[in-house]
Amino acid sequence: NAGVTQTPKFRVLKTGQSMTLLCAQDMNHEYMYWYRQDPGMGLRLIHYSVGEGTTAKGEVPDGYNVSRLKKQNFLLGLESAAPSQTSVYFCASSYERDLAQFFGPGTRLTVL
Amino acid sequence: KNEVEQSPQNLTAQEGEFITINCSYSVGISALHWLQQHPGGGIVSLFMLSSGKKKHGRLIATINIQEKHSSLHITASHPRDSAVYICAVSRGDGQNFVFGPGTRLSVLP
Repeated sequence: NAGVTQTPKFRVLKTGQSMTLLCAQDMNHEYMYWYRQDPGMGLRLIHYSVGEGTTAKGEVPDGYNVSRLKKQNFLLGLESAAPSQTSVYFCASSYERDLAQFFGPGTRLTVL
Repeated sequence: KNEVEQSPQNLTAQEGEFITINCSYSVGISALHWLQQHPGGGIVSLFMLSSGKKKHGRLIATINIQEKHSSLHITASHPRDSAVYICAVSRGDGQNFVFGPGTRLSVLP
């Protein structure tokens, strides 16, 4: 089993460009999450999904959109990247909301 | 005041030392989680506990629900234990995890 995978691992964007981060999990988990991690701060939830076809806002959703068209995939989109979105992005999944989460390896995004 | 706090923020230890990392929280929880973030960035879950104590190898996690406090202990520390240790709580009321800021541990040989 691959667990949780993320693509790409690194990306550099210019302000105003768009991109999509892909998260895939092969554990048949219902719950999937997108977090960002910034220096000196804990993980902050951007958006999450409680099942195929559902999405919900987290703590810091502005500037991001998500989609969960298939149970195993959770996409995070940046429509018009800003320097404030420079961060490391982690995807995670879990069988139920309160159970342990399994994390992907992270995507390091730099917006110039 | 953050809902989940950790201490210390940074910790340097010599190989072989006994290490304690603390987590305190101010909200009602259904479970508390300890995670480890390796220097390369990967995050793994170490423990999930709602009462008492759990042990895995040299790692021990305890929780005191009444005092809203948890500790992560590492016995006979080793340089490979160097990582950021993150405390998180699940609130069991339809809310998502709340993460602490992490404790950066460096174990010197």
